[in-house]
Amino acid sequence: GENVEQHPSTLSVQEGDSAVIKCTYSDSASNYFPWYKQELGKGPQLIIDIRSNVGEKKDQRIAVTLNKTAKHFSLHITETQPEDSAVYFCAALWSSASKIIFGSGTRLSIRP
Amino acid sequence: GAGVSQSPSNKVTEKGKDVELRCDPISGHTALYWYRQSLGQGLEFLIYFQGNSAPDKSGLPSDRFSAERTGGSVSTLTIQRTQQEDSAVYLCASSLFEGSPLHFGNGTRLTVT
Repeated sequence: GENVEQHPSTLSVQEGDSAVIKCTYSDSASNYFPWYKQELGKGPQLIIDIRSNVGEKKDQRIAVTLNKTAKHFSLHITETQPEDSAVYFCAALWSSASKIIFGSGTRLSIRP
Repeated sequence: GAGVSQSPSNKVTEKGKDVELRCDPISGHTALYWYRQSLGQGLEFLIYFQGNSAPDKSGLPSDRFSAERTGGSVSTLTIQRTQQEDSAVYLCASSLFEGSPLHFGNGTRLTVT
């Protein structure tokens, strides 16, 4: 069935270090994979997305990699800063129904 | 420009009462989605609209939940005979078309006492 698994559920890193969050999906026909950041009391905000015709995309300190064969994708945040502390969600577009299914979220904490 | 607007931002209701949640999407966005987020949990898909049609209602938890969209714009999510397990944040998102990035509102926090 429709499923996106996300790990880890919580992640604590030292300020300045890198953070990596990983997701796997079950629909081999999925072709769009966004990542969202949610701060307390707010709705999720898109931070980066990738489509299946590329294997990697980068935007400043944020990068996403996609392995379609293995059906997994990852978010990489380098040189982490206190404002990176938030809950991050991966998602995948379900090809058969045009709906976007979310992972369970990762709470990222940046230690000063 | 204006983002996705949801109202009310908070709603407290007694068990058994009906509630109506409203979503104003970004102007021109054809697709509209409803998700539910329980405390500290992920986003549970409820329903999405393409225009005024709802191709996929599979995420609605029970027949107490219904949603409509009129004029290809405003959407309302109605929960009848609310139960305590309905307590959650209900998030609405819109996108320019199916498969394009979602823009979320800040949600309606529903508390059923």
